[in-house]
Amino acid sequence: QQQVKQSPQSLIVQKGGISIINCAYENTAFDYFPWYQQFPGKGPALLIAIRPDVSEKKEGRFTISFNKSAKQFSLHIMDSQPGDSATYFCAASKGGSQGNLIFGKGTKLSVKP
Amino acid sequence: DGGITQSPKYLFRKEGQNVTLSCEQNLNHDAMYWYRQDPGQGLRLIYYSQIVNDFQKGDIAEGYSVSREKKESFPLTVTSAQKNPTAFYLCASSIWRRDTEAFFGQGTRLTVV
Repeated sequence: QQQVKQSPQSLIVQKGGISIINCAYENTAFDYFPWYQQFPGKGPALLIAIRPDVSEKKEGRFTISFNKSAKQFSLHIMDSQPGDSATYFCAASKGGSQGNLIFGKGTKLSVKP
Repeated sequence: DGGITQSPKYLFRKEGQNVTLSCEQNLNHDAMYWYRQDPGQGLRLIYYSQIVNDFQKGDIAEGYSVSREKKESFPLTVTSAQKNPTAFYLCASSIWRRDTEAFFGQGTRLTVV
């Protein structure tokens, strides 16, 4: 049973465009939703995270939009750059404990110059 | 520099052999985790530990074992009982409390030959 569904599996965007990755979850007990960025051969690194008491969080060119009623959240990358090319994972947890962190299957983003 | 170190980066194992992956952190984190990453599968939790001398099974613990004798170290043994051990293994650590960032190591790529 996949608790966090992520789409698309892969995404190609032109430099300067907007990259959008979507995630959906089933468990209403989830209350922490981070996004991780992973470059080839490296470990993932936290990019941005949100809690369900806000509908949007922005950090630089990265924005999380959260829709609690639809149980969906998405990552928007504005002005996408070739250096943003990486695999992005959404995740969810309940109670904030990393031991219960459930990851989506990942989206491989390629930004073309 | 503070961080989390995994070794070796690449590991080859013959079928039927046990192998141990090393994970060390100097971040003074209480919690440590092992994840397995397969192409298109996201990150799946193998084991996690909140404190020394205590650890819990994750979603895919069968065929794996861990120990936590020191706060800084959380080695993972891939046993011969693991049916499909070839994968990228990631170790992570965090402060064990609400909404904290998990820091990942660079990973170990294990190949069974």
